[in-house]
Parts: sequence; structure tokens; C-alpha cells
Amino acid sequence: GNSVTQMEGPVTLSEEAFLTINCTYTATGYPSLFWYVQYPGEGLQLLLKATKADDKGSNKGFEATYRKETTSFHLEKGSVQVSDSAVYFCALKGSGGSNYKLTFGKGTLLTVNP
Amino acid sequence: NAGVTQTPKFRILKIGQSMTLQCAQDMNHNYMYWYRQDPGMGLKLIYYSVGAGITDKGEVPNGYNVSRSTTEDFPLRLELAAPSQTSVYFCASKGAIEGEKLFFGSGTQLSVL
Repeated sequence: GNSVTQMEGPVTLSEEAFLTINCTYTATGYPSLFWYVQYPGEGLQLLLKATKADDKGSNKGFEATYRKETTSFHLEKGSVQVSDSAVYFCALKGSGGSNYKLTFGKGTLLTVNP
Repeated sequence: NAGVTQTPKFRILKIGQSMTLQCAQDMNHNYMYWYRQDPGMGLKLIYYSVGAGITDKGEVPNGYNVSRSTTEDFPLRLELAAPSQTSVYFCASKGAIEGEKLFFGSGTQLSVL
């Protein structure tokens, strides 16, 4: 079945530091890949997505590139802000019959200190 | 638009009690989902629905029931609550226009004591 493995947290950074959160996946076919963000006390929100190999998703300064050869979709940001403190979830949507369900990773808590 | 609305936000149950978590969306989405979020475990799919009158089990359906009598509403029923059901529950929906993006409610924090 499909699965997503995320880098263990928590991650603590200083403001303006570089961020990488690793995500690798296992899936058959050609899944779509997502990063969702959960701010404290809120539900998840879509941050970015990529639907085919070599696509780069980007939003709010965050980027992730769909690497089929390494089955990865690592999240990066060049300069984090305190307001980026949240839990980040990598997710995939399988191709074929299960294409309306998402499989989520365990989430990575990011704390950015001023 | 209100989006996805969940009620209540917090609830404490005693072991063996029953309750219904409400979820409503006003975006005319066909797909709706219930997830539970346990610390360090990510989100697990409980049940989902691809349209009114159609529901199916996810990864962790035991102890729960759902119904989908209308497009807007997707309540989750807990029968005979157990401490293992202490969790944060999220409802989500997806429509055709927005593609693969899920819209989440703000969650219900449930404690079973």
C-alpha cells in the first residue's frame, strides 16, 4: 500500500535560517504529492502540491520538487519566519482506484525562534 | 463561505457513552472525510464518502459509524466510547473544481475518561 515517511521532529530554528523537512514515499504508479500545514489550533491547509515527476510546487516561499528517482518530496524554505511555526504534513494521493484518498505522514513540528 | 464547520470543538465523554460529531460544508463538495489525529501519529482515515448515500471505511473504522443523507452533512457517530478514542477529529471535503485540494474543519478535541 501507499505510505509516507517524514523526518522526525521537532525542528527548532532561528529566524532567517534555512529549512529542510525530508519526505519520502512508497506508492505504485504516479501519485500526486502534497505538503499541508497546520497552525496551532487550526485544521490543515494545503501549502503546495506537485502532480508529476520533476514538478516543483511553491507557495509562501516554500518549495518542494517531485523526485521520482529518489521517491522524495522534500520541503524547503530559504529564510524561515516566526510565523512559519506549525506542523507540516507530507501527503500523497495514489493513482488508480484509491485516487480520492490521501495518505499522510506523521507530521513534523517546526518552531522558529526570534 | 463558511467552508467546513465542525461541532463541538471540545468534548469530554465517559467510557460507554455515545455522541455524534457534526460536520457540514457549504461548498457543494461530493467527497467528505473523517480523520483522527493522534500525537506523533499523523492523520488516520476513519471513513469517507464520495457522495450523498455512499460511505466507505478507511484505515481505522472500528468503533465509529457515519451517514451521508445530504451533500452538506457528514456526521460521525461514536458508540460505546473507549479511552482509545481520545483524539482530535478532523472533517475534510474535496470538490471537483478545486482538484485534489482538501478543505479541513478546525477539529474536535475529544477526551474519553
